[in-house]
Amino acid sequence: EAGVAQSPRYKIIEKRQSVAFWCNPISGHATLYWYQQILGQGPKLLIQFQNNGVVDDSQLPKDRFSAERLKGVDSTLKIQPAKLEDSAVYLCASSRKGQAITDTQYFGPGTRLTVL
Amino acid sequence: SQQGEEDPQALSIQEGENATMNCSYKTSINNLQWYRQNSGRGLVHLILIRSNEREKHSGRLRVTLDTSKKSSSLLITASRAADTASYFCATARAGGTSYGKLTFGQGTILTVHP
Repeated sequence: EAGVAQSPRYKIIEKRQSVAFWCNPISGHATLYWYQQILGQGPKLLIQFQNNGVVDDSQLPKDRFSAERLKGVDSTLKIQPAKLEDSAVYLCASSRKGQAITDTQYFGPGTRLTVL
Repeated sequence: SQQGEEDPQALSIQEGENATMNCSYKTSINNLQWYRQNSGRGLVHLILIRSNEREKHSGRLRVTLDTSKKSSSLLITASRAADTASYFCATARAGGTSYGKLTFGQGTILTVHP
């Protein structure tokens, strides 16, 4: 089966610009996650969707970050305006149900964002 | 905030040797998972151990969990150059409303020299 797809793979922007990332989860997976991974750290969950509803966005900086998952499939994560500290790899993951706490999460290759 | 702390931060060994990485966490958990990350394959799930389990094996991987000490270890036996990667532990909290939410540690960078 095809894995989690993300685009673009790399993005370089100036601070205060806006940027959007796209994720296509594994077919049939109900739960979708966006993580931020700063260099030298582990991934940090930004937002979790169950189908097209938000389950957890407690660590999403809502003044500048937004995400949506229309029709419960693809998702986009947007940053507007970007700050230097947003430089990181943004990982998308999906899991089959998300209702079982032991569901395996499958990760995409990530988008490496550099904010200058 | 990161829940897990991993030790050591970096580990360098020769092919054929065993590698042991440790993870400590702070809150009660439902399960603990280990992931591997390298530039070629991204972040990949390795193994999951539930809070009522003490040890689990998968191929060359052996994971132990001590909930009284809030710690886990990952042992890779007979390491290969292809095992070179960063290894992360991730915990799923007991209770809570966000099923599937994982909190990752800082990771251990493993280098296996041929």
